[in-house]
Amino acid sequence: GAGVSQSPSNKVTEKGKDVELRCDPISGHTALYWYRQSLGQGLEFLIYFQGNSAPDKSGLPSDRFSAERTGGSVSTLTIQRTQQEDSAVYLCASTPGLAGGSDTQYFGPGTRLTVL
Amino acid sequence: DAKTTQPNSMESNEEEPVHLPCNHSTISGTDYIHWYRQLPSQGPEYVIHGLTSNVNNRMASLAIAEDRKSSTLILHRATLRDAAVYYCILREWGNEKLTFGTGTRLTIIP
Repeated sequence: GAGVSQSPSNKVTEKGKDVELRCDPISGHTALYWYRQSLGQGLEFLIYFQGNSAPDKSGLPSDRFSAERTGGSVSTLTIQRTQQEDSAVYLCASTPGLAGGSDTQYFGPGTRLTVL
Repeated sequence: DAKTTQPNSMESNEEEPVHLPCNHSTISGTDYIHWYRQLPSQGPEYVIHGLTSNVNNRMASLAIAEDRKSSTLILHRATLRDAAVYYCILREWGNEKLTFGTGTRLTIIP
């Protein structure tokens, strides 16, 4: 079946502009995660959704970052007033939402964001 | 989050077994041991996970020490496609996020 999809695959923007990144999770997966991977910081957690709620936003680096999820499916990560340090690959993952620590996360291919 | 320690890099010959070690001396009783890998220019991919007993699946085997302070991911017959960064991650019960370390970069020699 279809995996996690993300769009766009690449985004180049100018400093100060807003960007929106989209994630389509696997159908039926109730949990959705955003991570980012940059050269300096490795792979880091940003935010977690269970359904449309976000019980863990602890990884969002600043108030310029926000995310929402509608209909328990698609999620959008928005970065306002982008800065050069926002350049990274933004990864989305989804899981069936089983309780506990054994749930498997399925990752999308990522969106490469470059801020000029 | 409990911390894991992995070698930065390893090399292995194609078609030979590979043993990737991970130390996690501060593991707690409810922490699951997860392994993910990331192939070049792709998102991470689940490999295997376990709690106390050794685990096998079609991709790999996971050997967990009796005291659970270390584990080893075993690729039984490495192929060029197995060249990736392998991450050993402890995931505690109720904590949904994955905390990635620096992982082990595995190079397969033809």
